[in-house]
Amino acid sequence: QGQLVESGGGLVKPGGSLRLSCAASGFIFSDYSMHWIRQAPGKGLEWISYISMTGSYTIYVDSVKGRFTVSRDNAKNSVYLEMNSLRAEDTAVYYCAREVSKNSGLDNWGQGTLVTISS
Amino acid sequence: DIQMTQSPSTLSASVGDRVTVTCRASQSLGGRLAWFQQKPGEAPKLLIYRASDLESGVPSRFSGSGSGTEFTLTIGSLQPDDFATYYCQQYYSYPWTFGQGTKVEIK
Repeated sequence: QGQLVESGGGLVKPGGSLRLSCAASGFIFSDYSMHWIRQAPGKGLEWISYISMTGSYTIYVDSVKGRFTVSRDNAKNSVYLEMNSLRAEDTAVYYCAREVSKNSGLDNWGQGTLVTISS
Repeated sequence: DIQMTQSPSTLSASVGDRVTVTCRASQSLGGRLAWFQQKPGEAPKLLIYRASDLESGVPSRFSGSGSGTEFTLTIGSLQPDDFATYYCQQYYSYPWTFGQGTKVEIK
């Protein structure tokens, strides 16, 4: 089934930057598109980003477009989320998730990493 | 963007009850609708995909139905482990969107 492990979260001042990583194991990473989803404290789930299997195609939700960049390194079985110009409203637990197929959605999620934006 | 509306927001039920959660989309999803269960401090867990397909390993008391813009998650006989928050999610078009969640509480 595989495992996803996020890292890189922490406390950052508004306007700062952070890079999240998601390490995959137990499956052929390059066979899967990957997504990032976040959850503000006590709130619901918000999808924020997609990256294709090869990394050649990315999509973002409007609220992070131009500030966040998703990338992947299939040789390292990892996907990344570079976050710049961070705002208080970016405070959330960030999850990476695997897309099984276009018909089946997100079947495998990491445990999440907390990002806190505060002065 | 496709808006997803779940009802109710909170549901109080007892062990053994049949529970139904509804999800409405602002446009047709072509069946690309998933249901997730989330417990406090944990990642969401996929229960149902393609509106009615049960994810491997998920108990058969969970079922999904619906098409177009109206979907339902049913728990046939609520078990103690089922008290959690449930989310619907559309993956028909970007940006993918989630319902606001339904918290199933102990009555």
